[in-house]
Amino acid sequence: EIVLTQSPGTLSLSPGDAATLSCRASQRVSSSSLAWYQQRPGQAPRLLIYGASRRAPGIPDRFSGSESGTDFTLTISRLEPEDFAVYYCQQYGRSPFAFGPGTKVDMK
Amino acid sequence: QVQLQESGPGLVKPSQTLSLACTVSGGSISSGGYYWSWIRQHPGKGLEWIGCIYNSGSTDYNPSLKSRITISIDTSKKQFSLSLNSVTAADTAVYYCARGAFGSGSYYWGQGTLVTVSS
Repeated sequence: EIVLTQSPGTLSLSPGDAATLSCRASQRVSSSSLAWYQQRPGQAPRLLIYGASRRAPGIPDRFSGSESGTDFTLTISRLEPEDFAVYYCQQYGRSPFAFGPGTKVDMK
Repeated sequence: QVQLQESGPGLVKPSQTLSLACTVSGGSISSGGYYWSWIRQHPGKGLEWIGCIYNSGSTDYNPSLKSRITISIDTSKKQFSLSLNSVTAADTAVYYCARGAFGSGSYYWGQGTLVTVSS
């Protein structure tokens, strides 16, 4: 079973700042099967990134993902007001398709 | 546009069975390359993957819930369902259904439905 850990738990930033979110897997994630989701209060999660680095349809290019071994990173180049939310990573390469605990990006 | 909609009781008594359905519209539930998932979120907490069913009818479940859950699919109704037995207050959560694509994560989600376990 692959366990995902995310850091930091909370990121306090201002609009226009860059955000770097980390997700570490306890084992290799097959075929780069790692996704990032954004969840705003009261809404369902929204797929941002799949395959570790591919943007989902309609996702702005300020969102990017990268992979280095078992470490995955979501970068938001310039935070917009609507980007303040909780972000989750999920591996879907091998069941169980666990989620990480999330990183909250809040406004400083 | 694919849409998913959860339905089922919002209140379930302890020890009973929680049953939810997810109706798929705007796309085929029988198409290959997809899997149909249930995810839940306890109040104020993170996302918990419950399990999924593939078009073949095979399933994968969260080991922590495996003894209590059944996920099934009814292609004629364009629905897939979750059954969780022996519920307790710890099963109170918002339950989401989602469509996953092989290699692409879950793009389509239902809006979620709150299920409260209480007598």
